[in-house]
Amino acid sequence: KAGVTQTPRYLIKTRGQQVTLSCSPISGHRSVSWYQQTPGQGLQFLFEYFSETQRNKGNFPGRFSGRQFSNSRSEMNVSTLELGDSALYLCASSIQGRLNTGELFFGEGSRLTVL
Amino acid sequence: GESVGLHLPTLSVQEGDNSIINCAYSNSASDYFIWYKQESGKGPQFIIDIRSNMDKRQGQRVTVLLNKTVKHLSLQIAATQPGDSAVYFCAEASGGYNKLIFGAGTRLAVHP
Repeated sequence: KAGVTQTPRYLIKTRGQQVTLSCSPISGHRSVSWYQQTPGQGLQFLFEYFSETQRNKGNFPGRFSGRQFSNSRSEMNVSTLELGDSALYLCASSIQGRLNTGELFFGEGSRLTVL
Repeated sequence: GESVGLHLPTLSVQEGDNSIINCAYSNSASDYFIWYKQESGKGPQFIIDIRSNMDKRQGQRVTVLLNKTVKHLSLQIAATQPGDSAVYFCAEASGGYNKLIFGAGTRLAVHP
C-alpha cells in the first residue's frame, strides 16, 4: 500500500512568487492535514481537509490556502512568498476525520526554499 | 538529509541503555497525545499514543506515561538502539480532530 506522496520534494522560489504543493493521501484516507516545519517554530498546523471541506485552520496568514479534491488529493498554495516561508511542508492523512484510529500518516514533505 | 532542528535539546545515551524523553504539554483540555519519531529527511513516524483516560501505555520497547496533574508526558525507550537515533516529538490534540499541537522536539543520540 503506497504511503502519503508529496510533490515536489524540493523547490526553490523567489520572493513574491507563488507555489503550489501537492499531496496524495493513502488510498481510502479522507482526511488530509498540512503542517509547516521550520527550525525556529517547529511543526505548526496549517489546515485540515475532510471530504473537500476545510475543517480546521491554524494561525497562518491568508497567503496560505488549500483545497481538497473529490479523490481526496490535496493541494496547498502560498502566494506572495516571503523569505520566512522557507520550510518543510508536511502532509498527513488519516482514514477518518477524527483521530479515532489513532494515527496520522505523514509524507516526507516538500522542502521549499525562498530566495 | 536536512536537519530537523538545529538547536534542539539533545539526549545522549549508550546503546543498550534505557532512554526517557520528556514533554510538557500546553492545553489542559487536550485528551489525546502522540509521540512521533522523525529521522533526517523524512516525515514524522507514529510511535505510540495515549488517551487522557489512561496514565500509561506500552508498546514494543516503548512506554508512554501521562501525568495530567502537571501536564507532563514521557516516552521511555527500552534497550535503546542506534536506529532509535532521531528527533522525537510529542503532540497533543483535543476534541478528536486532526489538529495536532507539536512540542519542540528532543534529539536522541545513541552511541555504540
